[in-house]
Amino acid sequence: DSGVTQTPKHLITATGQRVTLRCSPRSGDLSVYWYQQSLDQGLQFLIQYYNGEERAKGNILERFSAQQFPDLHSELNLSSLELGDSALYFCASSMAGSSYNEQFFGPGTRLTVL
Amino acid sequence: TQLLEQSPQFLSIQEGENLTVYCNSSSVFSSLQWYRQEPGEGPVLLVTVVTGGEVKKLKRLTFQFGDARKDSSLHITAAQTGDTGLYLCAGGGADSNYQLIWGAGTKLIIKP
Repeated sequence: DSGVTQTPKHLITATGQRVTLRCSPRSGDLSVYWYQQSLDQGLQFLIQYYNGEERAKGNILERFSAQQFPDLHSELNLSSLELGDSALYFCASSMAGSSYNEQFFGPGTRLTVL
Repeated sequence: TQLLEQSPQFLSIQEGENLTVYCNSSSVFSSLQWYRQEPGEGPVLLVTVVTGGEVKKLKRLTFQFGDARKDSSLHITAAQTGDTGLYLCAGGGADSNYQLIWGAGTKLIIKP
């Protein structure tokens, strides 16, 4: 158990809909990262937050947005969903002041868009 | 743009055999991390190497960081079925700001 929690575990929805994925980082971690992983693919970095502020952006679509709240949990919002958005979405956190940015991953949310 | 290339992309071997997977780049990294991911689960950090030429051992797994800090290898001795998974390398450094640069992974299957 990494200490990072993600809800829900599974999500099935229809094209055009909007969903929200939630992540709680390890106790004391200030950074939260979101990744997308399609079937048999590597990790695609979406976005990073540090202590409530956006710190880095990867290949995140305009239909997707995220935020980190004062209690440090984070939410990833996916809207106007398309079939191609079906994937595993992972959240990771890292320690404040970590020299090497070692990341600890949650169990993921499996999103299926029908 | 920094890239990390992993090879092979896929490897299927018998239990008891040895194997090596590679992670290569033309860029210098200040650190290199290896993660293992089992199907349907999140990646788990195995090791971080930070010094050129560094070798770290984790039971039957041996990790090496290249002298120039541009490449790394993972060697598994006497592979077991429990080693099956996706092995990901990730590089950190000044050029990557606060995010890691991820390789695409090596999918390893160990057959009983």
